[in-house]
Formats: sequence, C-alpha cells, structure tokens
Amino acid sequence: NAGVTQTPKFQVLKTGQSMTLQCAQDMNHEYMSWYRQDPGMGLRLIHYSVGAGITDQGEVPNGYNVSRSTTEDFPLRLLSAAPSQTSVYFCASSSQAEGQFFGPGTRLTVL
Amino acid sequence: RKEVEQDPGPFNVPEGATVAFNCTYSNSASQSFFWYRQDCRKEPKLLMSVYSSGNEDGRFTAQLNRASQYISLLIRDSKLSDSATYLCVVIIYNFNKFYFGSGTKLNVKP
Repeated sequence: NAGVTQTPKFQVLKTGQSMTLQCAQDMNHEYMSWYRQDPGMGLRLIHYSVGAGITDQGEVPNGYNVSRSTTEDFPLRLLSAAPSQTSVYFCASSSQAEGQFFGPGTRLTVL
Repeated sequence: RKEVEQDPGPFNVPEGATVAFNCTYSNSASQSFFWYRQDCRKEPKLLMSVYSSGNEDGRFTAQLNRASQYISLLIRDSKLSDSATYLCVVIIYNFNKFYFGSGTKLNVKP
C-alpha cells in the first residue's frame, strides 16, 4: 500500500513551458485534491475532485487544469508556467473517516 | 473572515513543557476535525482526529468545543522532536470542503 505518490519530486521549468504533475493513490478514495504551499505560508487549494469524471476549482485555480479519468489518478497540468507558480505542490486523497493523506510533494521552480 | 484561524506562533518552549494550541472555525456545519503535523519542507501528516468527547494519544490530547467552535491540541512533556508546524483541519463533507488553518509553529528547545 503506497498511499499517495507524486512525480516528479523536483522540476525546473522555463517561463511559458507546460508540464503535468502526476498523482496517484491506491486507497480507493473518491476525494482527491491539489494544493500549493509557498515558503512560510499555508496550503492553498488549487483544484479538487470528488470522484472520477468530476472536478472543481479551489481557491487558486488560474493557470492550472486537472482531469480525473480514474479513481486512482489526478494529474495537475500547468498550461504556461510563470515564475509566480514556483512553489511546492502537494496532492492529497481523503475519506470522511480517515482525513487527508498527502503525497511527498513536487518542488517546482519556474525561471 | 477565514474559515479556520490559528495563532501562527512561534511557540518557543523548553523540553518537558506543556503547550496548547487552539484553532477556531467559523462554519457551524463543520463535521470532522483533525490535527496535522508538518515538518519543514515535508508533507503534512495526520496527527490525530478530534472528537467531541476528546481523545488522547500518548502525550497528545485533542478536544472539540462545538458550542464555542474551536478545537485544541495539548502536548505534554514536550520533546525536541515535537518541533514542527501544527495544522488544524475542518471538514464540511456536504459541501466537499476541507479547510486548513495556516499552522502554528512550535519550537522545543533544550
């Protein structure tokens, strides 16, 4: 049982490049979400999904897209990277009884 | 007004001290409550759930006060390894909402 996995762990992009951050969970949770955390700051919700085929925006969705074709996977796509998107990105999956479980994070730098 | 508010700290305490954090929430429809611990540059990890009856796990005690809309975390006999940021989480399942506090930083010093 791997829990929540994220790839890559580190990434450097140039402004304007696009990329996809991968997230997978093996706990059969319906609810998954993406957060970003800037240095010294709290978590901010980007997008979330309550099940396959269903996604919704969080607090800071601009510049990001998500899709949920399976229960297990919830990729986050950066459309055109900007320096303001330099951050640590956490994926999480959750159940009502157990709370949220986070992946180890992706540290993204946009030059 | 934020959904969840925490004192950011830092709380600087000596080893062996007892320290308590509070977290207030604004939505009375909140249904589930948790405390998380986050170490520097790591992902948040679940510390414990919070129930109305209160719950204890070793040196850690969590309480929920629905009437006053706050949850608390008490750490007894603080260890150096308790140094971290503690996040409270409030969940409203009917609206698929998870609300995180911004965290309280604890520094336990020798």
